[in-house]
Amino acid sequence: DIQMTQSPSSLSASVGDSVTITCRASQSISTYLNWYQQKPGKAPELLIYAASSLQSGVPSRFSGSGSGTDFTLTISSLQPEDFATYYCHQSYSTWTFGQGTKVEIK
Amino acid sequence: QVLLQVSGPGLVKPSETLSLTCTVSGASITSHYWTWIRQPPGKGLELIGYIYYSGRTNYNPSLKSRVTMSVDTSKSQLSLKLASVTAADTAVYYCARDSGSSSSLDRWGQGTLVTVSS
Repeated sequence: DIQMTQSPSSLSASVGDSVTITCRASQSISTYLNWYQQKPGKAPELLIYAASSLQSGVPSRFSGSGSGTDFTLTISSLQPEDFATYYCHQSYSTWTFGQGTKVEIK
Repeated sequence: QVLLQVSGPGLVKPSETLSLTCTVSGASITSHYWTWIRQPPGKGLELIGYIYYSGRTNYNPSLKSRVTMSVDTSKSQLSLKLASVTAADTAVYYCARDSGSSSSLDRWGQGTLVTVSS
């Protein structure tokens, strides 16, 4: 299986901050990388697909980049509704997810 | 509006079979792959497998020996069966739609908690 490692596991930030989450794959996955946001008690929601494409309806403060093994999700100006857990997901081979990054209010 | 509704027992005894149904509305079940994902309490996401309306399946190797998925196109429903469950199978179970070209999950059901306990 391809292992997906996210860092950090959690972070504290303030409204208006820029936040970057990293996801590293154990082997190259081209751009078969997606990002999801999950709030407590809710299903995940797709934010970014194919590493850098913004899902319809998702605010433009979210952006993704990377290819091969290293990927990032950036939230350019954190809003109150962005405090959640974020997961990366590789769809290159047997799908696997990162362990999640919890973004908390400082 | 695409809606996925997961239903099934919330409590299953050890060694028995977990059975869930996902009812799809607002989208054609024949147009996409459909997946089952689970999430143990307080933990991350795990693929169980995915299925196409033709019956083609691809299961997570770690669960393959215990999983059966099927599709009923007449009812627009997906079915998941997981045999010989243990406490480790306690999780929220989601169904989700594969968007297609990008192999991302663009619509999710609300999820249902299944607890394995005697």
